[in-house]
Parts: sequence; C-alpha cells; structure tokens
Amino acid sequence: DAKTTQPPSMDCAEGRAANLPCNHSTISGNEYVYWYRQIHSQGPQYIIHGLKNNETNEMASLIITEDRKSSTLILPHATLRDTAVYYCIPNSGGGADGLTFGKGTHLIIQP
Amino acid sequence: DTGVSQDPRHKITKRGQNVTFRCDPISEHNRLYWYRQTLGQGPEFLTYFQNEAQLEKSRLLSDRFSAERPKGSFSTLEIQRTEQGDSAMYLCASSSTNEARPEKLFFGSGTQLSVL
Repeated sequence: DAKTTQPPSMDCAEGRAANLPCNHSTISGNEYVYWYRQIHSQGPQYIIHGLKNNETNEMASLIITEDRKSSTLILPHATLRDTAVYYCIPNSGGGADGLTFGKGTHLIIQP
Repeated sequence: DTGVSQDPRHKITKRGQNVTFRCDPISEHNRLYWYRQTLGQGPEFLTYFQNEAQLEKSRLLSDRFSAERPKGSFSTLEIQRTEQGDSAMYLCASSSTNEARPEKLFFGSGTQLSVL
C-alpha cells in the first residue's frame, strides 16, 4: 500500500469549509483514494473514495490532483459533529489488501 | 440494516486468561474483517473472511490469536493466554462484494480489551 502524509491536527470554525490534505506520492495506478473518519469511541466510518476524478457525495467532496500524488477532502460546512480523526487510505479495493490506516488528521471544529 | 454489532463492548481480564469476542456483520455481507487499534494509532488489519473461508491470516499478531466464521455469518476472535500488550480496541468490519466496486467497509463500535 502507498504511504500517506497527513497533518496530525487541524482546527476549523463551525460553519466554515474544512479542507484536509493528504500526500500519497507512491500511490499505484490501480489504487483508489479512500477517506474514512473515526469519531471518539466509535469505529471508522466510510466518507468517500475516488480514483482519478473529483467526487462529491452527501458528506464531502474529494479533490484528487492530476498526477494523483495528493488529494484534499472538503467538508463544505463543518459542524461540531465533524470533530474526528480523518484517515486518507490508498487501496486497491479491499480483500487481502486490508485497509492500512495511518495516524490520520485530528480535525477539531471550534464553536 | 442494523449495522455491525460487536459483543462485548468492554472486557477486563487477567493476564494469562483466554478471551473471545463476537462480531455480527451486516446481513448479506459476505466479507468480514478484524482490526486492532491501540491508543493514538490507526486501526491495524488482522484478518479477513469471505463467507466462511479465512483468506488472509498472516497478519494475526501471534499464534495466540485465532478467528473463525463457521457458517459465514457471525465471527469470533479468540486471544489465548492474554498479555498486557494485548490491551486494545478490537474492531470488526463487514462488506459486500456483490455491491458496486470498490469495496466499502462498515465498522462496528469495537470491543475494548483491558488486560490486568
């Protein structure tokens, strides 16, 4: 699995957009970029994934650079409930690969 | 869809005892994963099943760890002769290979193990 670099922590004001960066310069051509988050005392929760194109769903948007070496997760209007650890995970799609979680980014939404 | 269920939520045991955790995946999900998470770290992949077959177990931490999924539904993770270093959160996840690729994992809330 590709290695990732994420800032250990970030703050964001409630109601503002939270932009979480991730570097994955060694990502393979067949690896998707997944984002999961983990709220305290809960299991990780799937947010979004992408391969080459930018993606949007009801939770977030994912911007992937053209060279696929980095990506940004965007939470458009952050709320206090978005306070969590966010993990960026390149992966070819499950099974024996198993998702490789790093330490992620601890996002703190400030009131 | 009632989500992935794990039991118990918390387990306190003495060093040297055996413990077993149960995971009930989302119904119709044919894949089931076990992860371990220690304080301040991300979850660490241990093993996974497709239906009743354990297809990856090389990442189980030692031969004291074993997992089963006898009928392709619920799964158990057993740790024999527990050590203090086994204290961690044990997470279960499930997924379906019958849905659109790529695979998305759905996690339970975990079992917190404390070994005294």
